Amino acid sequence: EDKVVQSPLSLVVHEGDTVTLNCSYEVTNFRSLLWYKQEKKAPTFLFMLTSSGIEKKSGRLSSILDKKELSSILNITATQTGDSAIYLCAVSGGSNYKLTFGKGTLLTVNP
Amino acid sequence: DGGITQSPKYLFRKEGQNVTLSCEQNLNHDAMYWYRQDPGQGLRLIYYSQIVNDFQKGDIAEGYSVSREKKESFPLTVTSAQKNPTAFYLCASSSPRGLNEKLFFGSGTQLSVL
Repeated sequence: EDKVVQSPLSLVVHEGDTVTLNCSYEVTNFRSLLWYKQEKKAPTFLFMLTSSGIEKKSGRLSSILDKKELSSILNITATQTGDSAIYLCAVSGGSNYKLTFGKGTLLTVNP
Repeated sequence: DGGITQSPKYLFRKEGQNVTLSCEQNLNHDAMYWYRQDPGQGLRLIYYSQIVNDFQKGDIAEGYSVSREKKESFPLTVTSAQKNPTAFYLCASSSPRGLNEKLFFGSGTQLSVL
């Protein structure tokens, strides 16, 4: 059975801190790993990482895929209160590229 | 603006009642999905459809039913057989067909039992 584990499950930081969120996976026929941000209701796409694109960066957010360790990290530098959200990791694999989601990391950024 | 519209935002179900959650997209996406999210849990796949008039069960399909009569619409019915329906339901779509990684999500429906 495919499995995606995120850690920590929750995290509280102060504005300006740097955070690292972790995602590890066990998936047959790995295709891609995706990060989503869920602020209130609808998750929004952040990054997709594949064997041909193992590092992505957008502003203060960056993500790296480690295919050897079967894991990924999401880094957020100089955090802001607007970064407070649930961060979801999902992995695509299997015979039909089904997405398996982790439980998410709840990030709270205090002023 | 293109996007996915879910309605209603909040829904209450009485014992033994079937309820239907609406999902409409104008992104011209072939594939559509229904996920269930419980507090502290990840998203779990209920049903998905990669093409009109065809759909497949996900990991937790029991107690749910769907239809895909139009490309734009993928309604989910929560039947009385679903004994623990209280959850947040998310609809999503993706394109092209068969490559479902980058999902676009609706704003969700919170279903509660009276």
